[in-house]
Order: sequence, then C-alpha cells, then structure tokens
Amino acid sequence: EVQLVQSGAEVKKPGESLKISCKGSGYSFTSYWIGWVRQMPGKGLEWMGIFFPGDSDIRYSPSFQGQVTISADKSISTAYLQWSSLKASDTAMYYCARTRIRGRGVDFDSWGQGTLVTVSS
Amino acid sequence: QSVLTQTPSASGTPGQRVTISCSGSSSNIGSNAVNWYQNLPGTAPKLLIYSNNQRPSGVPDRFSGSKSGTSASLAISGLQSEDEADYYCAAWDDSLNGLVFGTGTKVTVL
Repeated sequence: EVQLVQSGAEVKKPGESLKISCKGSGYSFTSYWIGWVRQMPGKGLEWMGIFFPGDSDIRYSPSFQGQVTISADKSISTAYLQWSSLKASDTAMYYCARTRIRGRGVDFDSWGQGTLVTVSS
Repeated sequence: QSVLTQTPSASGTPGQRVTISCSGSSSNIGSNAVNWYQNLPGTAPKLLIYSNNQRPSGVPDRFSGSKSGTSASLAISGLQSEDEADYYCAAWDDSLNGLVFGTGTKVTVL
C-alpha cells in the first residue's frame, strides 16, 4: 500500500526557519515525482512544485520559486519542504503527494495527511 | 489567482445528479489531461478522476469526468450525503509550465 506520512504540526515565529518532511513507503520512491500543495485557511489548493528523487530534477511554481526549497533524501525515502525565513502568510496546511506524469497528464494519486504550519508572533 | 474557473457551489438532494464545470484555456485543459480531486472536510484531498475520465480503483462509478475543448466536467450521480465536499479540477499549464488547480466547488447535499 502506498503511504505518505508527513511530519507533525509546527508553530513558528516570523523569521524562523522550518523544514517539514514526507516519508514515502509501499512503492519505489525514486520512480515517482513528489509534489507539494498548499492550502491556506479556508482557501483552495495551490501547487508549489514537484521533485524527482531519482535524479533530483525539480520544478517550482512561479508563485513559490525563491520562497521555499524542495528536496529529498532518497536513502530514507523522504521528501522535504523548507523555509529559511517564515512569514505570517505562510500559515497553511501543506500536503505532499505522489505525482504521476503520463503523457499529457500530471496527477497526484496518493496524498500525505498534511502538515499544519502556523506562523505567529 | 487560479487560471481554471469553477462555479463556487452546487447542491442537490440525495439521489440527484450534480454536475460541476471547470473552464480553462488552450494552454491547460485544451492541451492536457484534467484531473479531479475530492476534499472532504478535515481530510487530505483524494484523486477522484484522472486523465479526463478515468477512475482510480475504489472510486465509485457514480463519479464520472468528461472534457470538451477548454472545459471539463465532473458529474456525481446518485448523490449521497458523504459526497458533501469541495471538488477541484487540475491540469498542467504549458504557458505557466506548472500545474494549476481550479477555484474549487463546494457541493452541498440538501
């Protein structure tokens, strides 16, 4: 069974750094892209970027380029999303998702449970 | 700001059929496959439809997807109370070189 297990909720202050994780199991971690999706309180889904653990290829959404860093450690089948300096506007639920790219289609077929990040002074 | 537009809300009584639309452009829906996600309250989104009209294993056949030109639709037939959720369309956008989600539709079962 494919599973993505994310790290727990975080409460941080503006300006602090943060790295959240997403551990994959039940499939070949290096054979699928991992995507990250943001959902701000009461809002819709926003694509942040995708990372391919097999060769470290990465694509960022223009909206998030330079704001976050996506990475992975394939030796432990874990993907990461990190911030160097958090802002209050980063308060949101963050989901990782296994990403399938097939022809002209890109979909997220399995999702983590989400990590709630709260940034407040 | 999302480039895929959905009607904000839809509703129906149990057993009815509800249709949700998703409008895009030639660079996204017109060129690439559309997927639909169900976001039940307090839970992670779930893939409902991929490649325009394909259902993942375990998704009831009450859910169906279609695409025509630069628009796509999700239909829920035999509406059930557990279908009350937010639904999002998504597609790759060649101009933005990224994935775009729709604005979301809240389905209410009356």
